[in-house]
Amino acid sequence: GAVVSQHPSRVICKSGTSVKIECRSLDFQATTMFWYRQFPKQSLMLMATSNEGSKATYEQGVEKDKFLINHASLTLSTLTVTSAHPEDSSFYICSVRQGNTEAFFGQGTRLTVV
Amino acid sequence: DQQVKQNSPSLSVQEGRISILNCDYTNSMFDYFLWYKKYPAEGPTFLISISSIKDKNEDGRFTVFLNKSAKHLSLHIVPSQPGDSAVYFCAARLRQGAQKLVFGQGTRLTINP
Repeated sequence: GAVVSQHPSRVICKSGTSVKIECRSLDFQATTMFWYRQFPKQSLMLMATSNEGSKATYEQGVEKDKFLINHASLTLSTLTVTSAHPEDSSFYICSVRQGNTEAFFGQGTRLTVV
Repeated sequence: DQQVKQNSPSLSVQEGRISILNCDYTNSMFDYFLWYKKYPAEGPTFLISISSIKDKNEDGRFTVFLNKSAKHLSLHIVPSQPGDSAVYFCAARLRQGAQKLVFGQGTRLTINP
């Protein structure tokens, strides 16, 4: 299956600063990547669908100006959390889909905003 | 609106016995179902899937059953092993649009030696 690398795995930032999370598809060209967020003991919630060369599609309730997504190449998508607040602290995970079936996930990024 | 539900937040099973994880869904537009295993601070790992046109899929110790009329699927693990201890998520794929996955809340499975 596809290998997905996410970086960093853990980040702590001060409130008001911005944080960039990278998601790389190492062995597969992904025109579409997905960004999820998981709060403790809750499900994975889809935030947005990242489309190579075009604008991301955001799920209802997700602020596109706060969570900036860039998918500039077929192997890299980035999620930037702008003006981070403590309530943005969460586990962020990206995924790629190979074909029409299962998705392959990155290892996730634990964001803590202090 | 939780379209995919895993009503059991946790499950404990003796090693060697069968583990049965359940999942219910409400949207008839789901055409594909998947199970993922997740360890803490890691991304989910794909386990097994089933198309809506089938009612059973088996892969080694893992079998997924789909009951479309009841909108219910289950994952059977037999025999259960200590390494199976993890959080299990079921997910469903929407037939249309970006075919995004909708996840259940997860069930924490603990296999006791």
